[in-house]
Amino acid sequence: KQEVTQIPAALSVPEGENLVLNCSFTDSAIYNLQWFRQDPGKGLTSLLLIQSSQREQTSGRLNASLDKSSGRSTLYIAASQPGDSATYLCAVIPPSYNTDKLIFGTGTRLQVFP
Amino acid sequence: EAQVTQNPRYLITVTGKKLTVTCSQNMNHEYMSWYRQDPGLGLRQIYYSMNVEVTDKGDVPEGYKVSRKEKRNFPLILESPSPNQTSLYFCASRARQGRSNTEAFFGQGTRLTVV
Repeated sequence: KQEVTQIPAALSVPEGENLVLNCSFTDSAIYNLQWFRQDPGKGLTSLLLIQSSQREQTSGRLNASLDKSSGRSTLYIAASQPGDSATYLCAVIPPSYNTDKLIFGTGTRLQVFP
Repeated sequence: EAQVTQNPRYLITVTGKKLTVTCSQNMNHEYMSWYRQDPGLGLRQIYYSMNVEVTDKGDVPEGYKVSRKEKRNFPLILESPSPNQTSLYFCASRARQGRSNTEAFFGQGTRLTVV
């Protein structure tokens, strides 16, 4: 059974720091992996999608990498800003064509203070 | 703009009073799902649909119903809500497995309170 873990659970940093958020999964057979951002009580906003054949994806100050063999993905946030404060979730999509399911990690709550 | 739209955003109801939460997507996605999010339990899938008239149970389907009569709509029905269904609900959609872009899109959420 696929399990997804995110470390750390919470992170508080001063503005301007470069950050690394970690996502680990137990089964390397994945279809793709997606990173989301969630503001308190709000919906999930897609940040980056990495397909299983890719090693990384970049969008602005965000860079996500994927290492299937070690069961890890990292989200790198450059030059963090207070507006980056949110919970970050990673989700693994299994390779099955018989189901539609995202398996979510436990999330990392990020606070960036001025 | 590509989006998943849920309504209502907030709902307070009483035990046993049937309710429906609507979900609509404008991306012509084949797959649609419902999730609930609870503190300490994360996001759990309730039901999913891989095509029109095709639905299946997720991890926590008890007390819920869904239908997929049209590709764009996937309503969630609570026939007799109970307090343990108080939660934050999300609808999601994505293109079917095998397409070049299977990015999942989520609605803004429906906060349901059952008293």
